[in-house]
Order: sequence, then C-alpha cells, then structure tokens
Amino acid sequence: QLVLTQSPSASASLGASVRLTCTLSSGHSSYPIAWHQQQPEKGPRYLMKVNSDGSHNKGDGIPDRFSGSSSGAERYLTISSLQSEDEAEYYCQTWGTGIQLFGGGTKLTVL
Amino acid sequence: QVQLVQSGAEVKKPGASVKVSCKASGYAFTGYYLHWLRQAPGQGLEWMGWINPNSGGTNYVQKFQGRVTMTRDTSISTAYMELSSLRSDDTAVYYCARPSGYYEYWGQGTRVTVSS
Repeated sequence: QLVLTQSPSASASLGASVRLTCTLSSGHSSYPIAWHQQQPEKGPRYLMKVNSDGSHNKGDGIPDRFSGSSSGAERYLTISSLQSEDEAEYYCQTWGTGIQLFGGGTKLTVL
Repeated sequence: QVQLVQSGAEVKKPGASVKVSCKASGYAFTGYYLHWLRQAPGQGLEWMGWINPNSGGTNYVQKFQGRVTMTRDTSISTAYMELSSLRSDDTAVYYCARPSGYYEYWGQGTRVTVSS
C-alpha cells in the first residue's frame, strides 16, 4: 500500500538550513513526489516535483533557497537561509492511476 | 498566468447541500482535469475526486460517492463541486486544483461551515 510518511514537526533558526523528509512506503521507491507549502491561514502552494533520481523542477517564483533531492525511498526538501515566512506546514504528495495521496505534513517552526 | 478563483465562504445547516465554484483562467479550461480536495480544521489534505472539463466525466473517491457531484460549464471556464447531506464533519476548506500529476495550481480555498 502506497503511504507517505513525514515527521510532524521540525524547527531551525532564522538564517539556518533545514531538511524535511518524505518517505515512500516499501515497494514504491521509484515514485516522484511533489512538495507543497501551506502558510498559516493560506491555501497550499506548489514548490517542486522531486524525482527518484533527485532531479527536481520548481514552480514559478520559488526562490533558489528551496531545493529537492532523493535517496532511495526518501525525498527531501531543503530550505536554506531560513526566513520567518518559511514558517509553514509542508506536505508531500504523490499520485498514480486513480489515486492522489498526501503525507501528514511537517510543521516547520523558524526560531 | 494560471488562476483558479473559488467562490466565497458558506455556512450551511446539517442535511443541506453546498455548491462551490472554481473559475479557471490563463489556460485552456478543457485541456486539464480539475480535482477537488478538502482540509478539515487542523487536519491534512483529503482528495475528493476529479472532473474532466472536456468530457464532463468524473471520478469520485469512494468515501464521497453518492454525496458529491462535480460539474462544469465550459462557456465560463468554471467547475463546480456540490456536496449534499452535509454533516458537521464536512466543515472544512475546500480546494480546487489543477494537476500535472502533482497539483501545480491551487484555488484559494472556500471555507464551508456546517452548523445548526
């Protein structure tokens, strides 16, 4: 069964970097995922798609501070030079025939 | 640029129906499926299903079958999601989104509150 697992929370200091992880369930390590950011009281915003080979393509206007990578069944979102507006919930998403699936989200706190 | 603009917030009583609209602009409306999702307070994102604006064909998640109807009006590039027999646990923000596999574009969301 296809499942996406995310840690519920993460924190890092202003100006630092943080890496968020989304883990695909066993047998699904080839799947691409997408990262979405949801700031408080706002709708989701597409950040990037991350492929199993680590290549990624970002949405329009997404700053260079945001990057994606992969290792096995793990897909990463790295945010560098953290800013206060990066404090948000981050969701990973994958898809297949007849299915759209989200991870539970990671709430990022910028200290 | 691609935009999905949704209708405003709604307050409904249990047992009623709600119809949310999603007006698309900046691209060929019939060229892309539109999906509907929702997010209950403090919860994650839940996929409800999709509509093919070209054919009008739909696919609903089993949980919502029998209660949800997705339609479209191609003349005004607008998709609709109607949810009937509303319950308190249908209180959520409802989103339309345009996929390319992943959801590249999102509507701003429509808050639906179900309360007696």
